[in-house]
Amino acid sequence: KAGVTQTPRYLIKTRGQQVTLSCSPISGHRSVSWYQQTPGQGLQFLFEYFSETQRNKGNFPGRFSGRQFSNSRSEMNVSTLELGDSALYLCASSLVVGYGYTFGSGTRLTVV
Amino acid sequence: GESVGLHLPTLSVQEGDNSIINCAYSNSASDYFIWYKQESGKGPQFIIDIRSNMDKRQGQRVTVLLNKTVKHLSLQIAATQPGDSAVYFCAENIAGSGGSNYKLTFGKGTLLTVNP
Repeated sequence: KAGVTQTPRYLIKTRGQQVTLSCSPISGHRSVSWYQQTPGQGLQFLFEYFSETQRNKGNFPGRFSGRQFSNSRSEMNVSTLELGDSALYLCASSLVVGYGYTFGSGTRLTVV
Repeated sequence: GESVGLHLPTLSVQEGDNSIINCAYSNSASDYFIWYKQESGKGPQFIIDIRSNMDKRQGQRVTVLLNKTVKHLSLQIAATQPGDSAVYFCAENIAGSGGSNYKLTFGKGTLLTVNP
């Protein structure tokens, strides 16, 4: 079966712009989590959604937001981009909250 | 300012040797632990997991050991192969209030290099 699909794979944006990243979970998975990976900070939790509700949120500013649709697909949005937002953004899905996370290949965001 | 890259611990082994990757976790309330492997340009790939009511779990060529007393997790890879070269992360899953708000917290990772 298809894995977690993230689009786009690569993205270049300018400071001050906003960006929307998309994640399609494994079929049947209702939980979707987002992570930011940078060389300086490693993998950091952004937020998790289950059945269209945000269940948990990490320590990121309000410029980072997300949502989940009824088909479990999720998007995350970053507004007013800063250079420090350059990172690999990873999405993970699971059947239930808390266990069995499968990651996508990520979206590489570069802010210039 | 400019961020400093993580100085990943590194482990270099010869093909065929056994590898042991260690991880110290932070929260004594963590009830679920996972090891992930991440190759360059890819997302983390699940290797093996263990719940806090166990101290050992075995998979194919891999074994995870959990020592809750000292909050230590290890991943043993038997007969290491060049394809095992990657960054390995441990992650702990901490339940929030009400037991429903889980969050995976990752370690900094260990770079494993397998020499043929």
